[in-house]
Amino acid sequence: DQQVKQNSPSLSVQEGRISILNCDYTNSMFDYFLWYKKYPAEGPTFLISISSIKDKNEDGRFTVFLNKSAKHLSLHIVPSQPGDSAVYFCAARGNSGGSNYKLTFGKGTLLTVNP
Amino acid sequence: ETGVTQTPRHLVMGMTNKKSLKCEQHLGHNAMYWYKQSAKKPLELMFVYNFKEQTENNSVPSRFSPECPNSSHLFLHLHTLQPEDSALYLCASSQRQGYGGYTFGSGTRLTVV
Repeated sequence: DQQVKQNSPSLSVQEGRISILNCDYTNSMFDYFLWYKKYPAEGPTFLISISSIKDKNEDGRFTVFLNKSAKHLSLHIVPSQPGDSAVYFCAARGNSGGSNYKLTFGKGTLLTVNP
Repeated sequence: ETGVTQTPRHLVMGMTNKKSLKCEQHLGHNAMYWYKQSAKKPLELMFVYNFKEQTENNSVPSRFSPECPNSSHLFLHLHTLQPEDSALYLCASSQRQGYGGYTFGSGTRLTVV
């Protein structure tokens, strides 16, 4: 049973436009969410995170929105740049004291930003 | 030098071979993880070590054997693998289990022939 779902395997966006990557989760014990970016032949690198006490976190061109009632989060990249082309993984984690402490990943979404 | 270093980057092995993957981190982290990434699948957690002690084995077949001699080093010993074990094996570390962000290595691309 997949607890973190990224239903779009790929997304193609024009340079300068907004990229929106979506993620849904099923485990209500998750309280911390992260986005990782992965280039080919490299490991995932941390991009941005959000705690469940917030509904928005912004870092430069990257903004993550969290809708707890819908168990949905999204990553917005604006403006999109060709260098943003990569696989984006959504990940979620529960309280460290519980069994859901471990990071659970989605399958990833391949973003292609066209010049 | 990146925070988490994995060697080798690529490995091709026969089903009867024995090989080992190595992971090293110089971040002062106390938790280390092995993940497997297969095509079109989420990253799958395999093993967790916290302060050198194995705290999680995610139902991994015994042909994969982890070793953590100290908090900075993690190995994955491989023997009698199957072709379906071909994948990208990623090592990660964090301050301690369940706390702090994960830093990943670049992975070892394993092909079993």
